[in-house]
Amino acid sequence: EIVLTQSPATLSLSPGERATLSCRASQYINTYLAWYQQIPGQAPRLLIYDASKRATGIPARFSGSGSGIDFTLTISSLEPEDFAVYYCQQRTNWPLTFGGGTKVAIK
Amino acid sequence: QVQLVESGGGLVQPGRSLTLSCAASGFTFKNYAIHWVRQAPGKGLEWVAVISYDGAFKIYADSVRGRFTVSRDNSNTTAFLHMDSLRTEDTAFFYCAKALQSYGSGSSPFDHWGQGTLVSVSS
Repeated sequence: EIVLTQSPATLSLSPGERATLSCRASQYINTYLAWYQQIPGQAPRLLIYDASKRATGIPARFSGSGSGIDFTLTISSLEPEDFAVYYCQQRTNWPLTFGGGTKVAIK
Repeated sequence: QVQLVESGGGLVQPGRSLTLSCAASGFTFKNYAIHWVRQAPGKGLEWVAVISYDGAFKIYADSVRGRFTVSRDNSNTTAFLHMDSLRTEDTAFFYCAKALQSYGSGSSPFDHWGQGTLVSVSS
């Protein structure tokens, strides 16, 4: 099973600041990585797939990069609605796996 | 618009069974794989199972293999997750999610999710 390690566990930032979230895979996964946002009490929402492709309707302030084992989700300027938990997920091998999540909290 | 609505959750005793439903609308259901993902209260996401667009391909997480069974009824645009031998550690919100890409084995990201249904396993 491919293990995804997300860091940091919590990121405390202010609105308008830049957020950089990391996801590291335990083995090579090419670019088959997705990022999801989950606001408390809601279902997850797909933000980025295949490492860098924005899903439909996702604002341009969200961007993804990386390949192989190291990946990054960047939020260029945090809006109030961006404070949430973010998960990465790989689809290279079964079982599909998620990272443990990074909480972006208001500082 | 795409909608996925889970139902069937509730309180059940350990060792008992439960079947969840995922009613879909707003897209050509028969062309897309459906995944089940769960989330224990206050915890992260755990992928549970997938059923391919035609029902021919099913894969399960190790934690549920042999106890859970996925199925689908394309004529009624509904997917199901039948859960046997439930354990306290199965307590979670269960989400169904649609694969982004049509056809194939379903190993594509999940572009639409239901709101989830809570399964509580307790004596």
